[in-house]
Amino acid sequence: DQQVKQNSPSLSVQEGRISILNCDYTNSMFDYFLWYKKYPAEGPTFLISISSIKDKNEDGRFTVFLNKSAKHLSLHIVPSQPGDSAVYFCAAGRGSQGNLIFGKGTKLSVKP
Amino acid sequence: ETGVTQTPRHLVMGMTNKKSLKCEQHLGHNAMYWYKQSAKKPLELMFVYNFKEQTENNSVPSRFSPECPNSSHLFLHLHTLQPEDSALYLCASSQLDDFTDTQYFGPGTRLTVL
Repeated sequence: DQQVKQNSPSLSVQEGRISILNCDYTNSMFDYFLWYKKYPAEGPTFLISISSIKDKNEDGRFTVFLNKSAKHLSLHIVPSQPGDSAVYFCAAGRGSQGNLIFGKGTKLSVKP
Repeated sequence: ETGVTQTPRHLVMGMTNKKSLKCEQHLGHNAMYWYKQSAKKPLELMFVYNFKEQTENNSVPSRFSPECPNSSHLFLHLHTLQPEDSALYLCASSQLDDFTDTQYFGPGTRLTVL
């Protein structure tokens, strides 16, 4: 049973518009959440994280929102750029236990 | 070199071969990880080393054998693998502190078992 789910395998967005990537989790003990971006033939690159004591964290064009009651987080990219086209993974963990659980990823395509 | 490096980037081996994957982190972290990424599946954690001691082994078959000689280097020794072991093997490192675990990944080794 997957503890971290990304139900949309792909998303297509027009350049300049907002991209919203979603992630759901089942384990209420998770207290730290991350988003990674992955290009083909490269390892995942850390993008942004959020701890369970916050409901929003922003870094430039990237904002992560956390809804603990719904066990849902989302990544907003605005404005979207063609270079953002990649696979995005969300991950969840419990503090410093060194055991992140990853979703299957969502492939984002940003069209010029 | 910066970040996390992995060698080789690509490896093709037969089922009777023995090979090793190497990972080195230049970030001063105290924990290192091996992950497996197969097609259409999420990243699967294989091994965790915290301060050079293995702290997690997620039911990985014994044909995969990790080695962590120091906090900067991690190896994955492979022997008598199966074709279904073909995958992208990713190494990561992090600085485990009281609250967070942001892991930084290497580029991966694309392994093909014939």
